[in-house]
Amino acid sequence: ILNVEQSPQSLHVQEGDSTNFTCSFPSSNFYALHWYRWETAKSPEALFVMTLNGDEKKKGRISATLNTKEGYSYLYIKGSQPEDSATYLCAFSGDSGGYQKVTFGTGTKLQVIP
Amino acid sequence: EAQVTQNPRYLITVTGKKLTVTCSQNMNHEYMSWYRQDPGLGLRQIYYSMNVEVTDKGDVPEGYKVSRKEKRNFPLILESPSPNQTSLYFCASSTRLASYEQYFGPGTRLTVT
Repeated sequence: ILNVEQSPQSLHVQEGDSTNFTCSFPSSNFYALHWYRWETAKSPEALFVMTLNGDEKKKGRISATLNTKEGYSYLYIKGSQPEDSATYLCAFSGDSGGYQKVTFGTGTKLQVIP
Repeated sequence: EAQVTQNPRYLITVTGKKLTVTCSQNMNHEYMSWYRQDPGLGLRQIYYSMNVEVTDKGDVPEGYKVSRKEKRNFPLILESPSPNQTSLYFCASSTRLASYEQYFGPGTRLTVT
């Protein structure tokens, strides 16, 4: 089983603060890195899928970067709002596990305090 | 509306009583997958399917079976459920490959007593 780690495990920020989280994954045999947002009592929803080293993706106030050579991805939230409160998951797929196998990290739980 | 549906949403059963959790998607996706979510462990992949009649094991396949006879359906079968299979189960689908974003179903909360 591949090791995908996310940090921090949880985070409390004030409304308006910017924040970022980290996802670490195996640096060899990379195929794709996904970010999902998971709100309580709902299903995970895709934010980004990144496949190339150096990829940067943006959706509104949320953006992500990818470094496949060193095996990490950052997710940034600019000007956090209460509706950003959720668990943010990253998921990795790579050749050593089979391209179609997906390994999730345990997530970063974000709470934005109004 | 594009969606992944799962049934039942909640199920309480007893050890050893065979059960099936259905999963269906209406997006014509080739790739479908089952995950279980347990506190502190995150989502773990049980089985996945790249197309009709093509299935393969994820990281935690023991005690589960799947089938993919039609493109839209991917049922999860527990032949003899045990208490350690008490969990929240999600089905997901995506276009073609795991490099595409996955769409998740609403989840099935299973309790095995």
